[in-house]
Amino acid sequence: EPEVTQTPSHQVTQMGQEVILRCVPISNHLYFYWYRQILGQKVEFLVSFYNNEISEKSEIFDDQFSVERPDGSNFTLKIRSTKLEDSAMYFCASTGFLTGELFFGEGSRLTVL
Amino acid sequence: GENVEQHPSTLSVQEGDSAVIKCTYSDSASNYFPWYKQELGKRPQLIIDIRSNVGEKKDQRIAVTLNKTAKHFSLHITETQPEDSAVYFCAASSTDSWGKFQFGAGTQVVVTP
Repeated sequence: EPEVTQTPSHQVTQMGQEVILRCVPISNHLYFYWYRQILGQKVEFLVSFYNNEISEKSEIFDDQFSVERPDGSNFTLKIRSTKLEDSAMYFCASTGFLTGELFFGEGSRLTVL
Repeated sequence: GENVEQHPSTLSVQEGDSAVIKCTYSDSASNYFPWYKQELGKRPQLIIDIRSNVGEKKDQRIAVTLNKTAKHFSLHITETQPEDSAVYFCAASSTDSWGKFQFGAGTQVVVTP
């Protein structure tokens, strides 16, 4: 069964460093998303992406965050200058069509020291 | 914006008993309500969903009910089994903002044999 895959599974970084989290959505999917979950808290929407553009973003997704689809398969989330409060599990998700099921990846745990 | 409240935060049931998890939402524009199951260290997986033109939906031992007037929806698991132990998340979304889910805080369900 096709899956959304994410790398790395765990990344430890120093505050102020740039981090790139990578996602490979399911191959024929067109709509892509990033969510995050701070330990013990809700899963929170960050951004949706379609047709090489951001469709929507939350208040969390400030200028420190960016997303890109650099080629036909990867979808990346970049955090320019990490803060302690960016420590969380980041989930990528994709769907093949509007109103279709969202398929989540297994997450990338980011720890900022 | 949308706010989703979920109760209880933990639920312990004996194998074979039923489990009920309740969620409320605030935005009357929300019209899609998925439920996700997340086992420890794994990705959230959709187990059932309901759209606002339906009051109830059932899939084997799992059912979801929706009361649009009261803005609440519930997950019912009957004949619980140990493999039902997981964290369950409700979410709400509008088809106008597909994939921009507002999640509840999650319910840790423990099924004891």
